[in-house]
Amino acid sequence: IAGITQAPTSQILAAGRRMTLRCTQDMRHNAMYWYRQDLGLGLRLIHYSNTAGTTGKGEVPDGYSVSRANTDDFPLTLASAVPSQTSVYFCASSGTGGTGELFFGEGSRLTVL
Amino acid sequence: GQNIDQPTEMTATEGAIVQINCTYQTSGFNGLFWYQQHAGEAPTFLSYNVLDGLEEKGRFSSFLSRSKGYSYLLLKELQMKDSASYLCAVIDSNYQLIWGAGTKLIIKP
Repeated sequence: IAGITQAPTSQILAAGRRMTLRCTQDMRHNAMYWYRQDLGLGLRLIHYSNTAGTTGKGEVPDGYSVSRANTDDFPLTLASAVPSQTSVYFCASSGTGGTGELFFGEGSRLTVL
Repeated sequence: GQNIDQPTEMTATEGAIVQINCTYQTSGFNGLFWYQQHAGEAPTFLSYNVLDGLEEKGRFSSFLSRSKGYSYLLLKELQMKDSASYLCAVIDSNYQLIWGAGTKLIIKP
């Protein structure tokens, strides 16, 4: 049982480069989320998707974009990375949307130099 | 604004009991979660409270008082593996999840 798979697990990239973090789930969950986690701060929602074909902006969406072409995949793209986007990124899914337990991927540690 | 407050760090002794508090000020309330996160790992679900009172699950219990905007996580018979961060999160009136910064729990032998 894989659950949620994120890739890459770790990446260093130069400022200005484009980067896509991949997220795939095999639980057939409708809702998916991208969070970033920074030291001393709570998890902050970047973008979410309540069902395939729809996406929404979270608390900190600037500089990020997402797509949800199907139920399983929810990639996060940084069009032009900046050092402030250095963070740990978690993808999560939920079977019951707003009130459901979240299942998290293992995280992607991104460093922008 | 919306706010979740938790202590930044706590220390406890193996075998003891520890209570981690969480207070919240949110626009509405539709439930509260506790998650555990070991260093370098993903958060994992511990408990969910939507009604007032105590929910017990093995060594872990979670309490909620909606009138006071307050919850706590109680960990009994502490083990070294309980060393982790504990995250409190509240579902607001728009069904958005608001996260606290987490409490780092250090267990000493």
